[in-house]
Amino acid sequence: GAVVSQHPSWVICKSGTSVKIECRSLDFQATTMFWYRQFPKQSLMLMATSNEGSKATYEQGVEKDKFLINHASLTLSTLTVTSAHPEDSSFYICSARDQAVRGIDEQYFGPGTRLTVT
Amino acid sequence: SQKIEQNSEALNIQEGKTATLTCNYTNYSPAYLQWYRQDPGRGPVFLLLIRENEKEKRKERLKVTFDTTLKQSLFHITASQPADSATYLCALDGVTGGSYIPTFGRGTSLIVHP
Repeated sequence: GAVVSQHPSWVICKSGTSVKIECRSLDFQATTMFWYRQFPKQSLMLMATSNEGSKATYEQGVEKDKFLINHASLTLSTLTVTSAHPEDSSFYICSARDQAVRGIDEQYFGPGTRLTVT
Repeated sequence: SQKIEQNSEALNIQEGKTATLTCNYTNYSPAYLQWYRQDPGRGPVFLLLIRENEKEKRKERLKVTFDTTLKQSLFHITASQPADSATYLCALDGVTGGSYIPTFGRGTSLIVHP
């Protein structure tokens, strides 16, 4: 089946620094990738939809200047948390849809990245 | 506003029994509904998708029903095993900007006791 990887799997950073998280589709091309954030015992909250070669579409309430998304190729999207603060500590998960599959399809999720800001 | 409800209390059952999880929604007309499994510290894994015009879908020990009148989906695991212990998320898909983007429920934790 389709595999999505994320790197790093966990990261600890100091307040005020920036952190980059990578999301890769390993065996398929993904024109669209999604970034989610999940707090403990909460549902996945969609942050933004990332389309290859164009600007990301952010959900209401998500600061695009704080959460920079770059979808430079059909297999890679990155999320950069700029000037991170402790309240940004969360579980960040990406997902991707297989370009080759037409119509409605399930999303393939990455394993997630645990970000802790101290 | 759109709302997806899953029982926040964990479901505890004995091995071999059938587990039934519920997903209710309001103010939503989804084109389809999906169920995912999520283990602690991991991303969700897709299990089943059921469309609005389908009543039931099966896959091995899994069965999903979809009642658009009741606005409810039931997710069944028959002959449950301790390895089935996880959090199960339902997600509803609606069209946003021409793309289908799912909205997730909070999930229900299932604990299967040996």
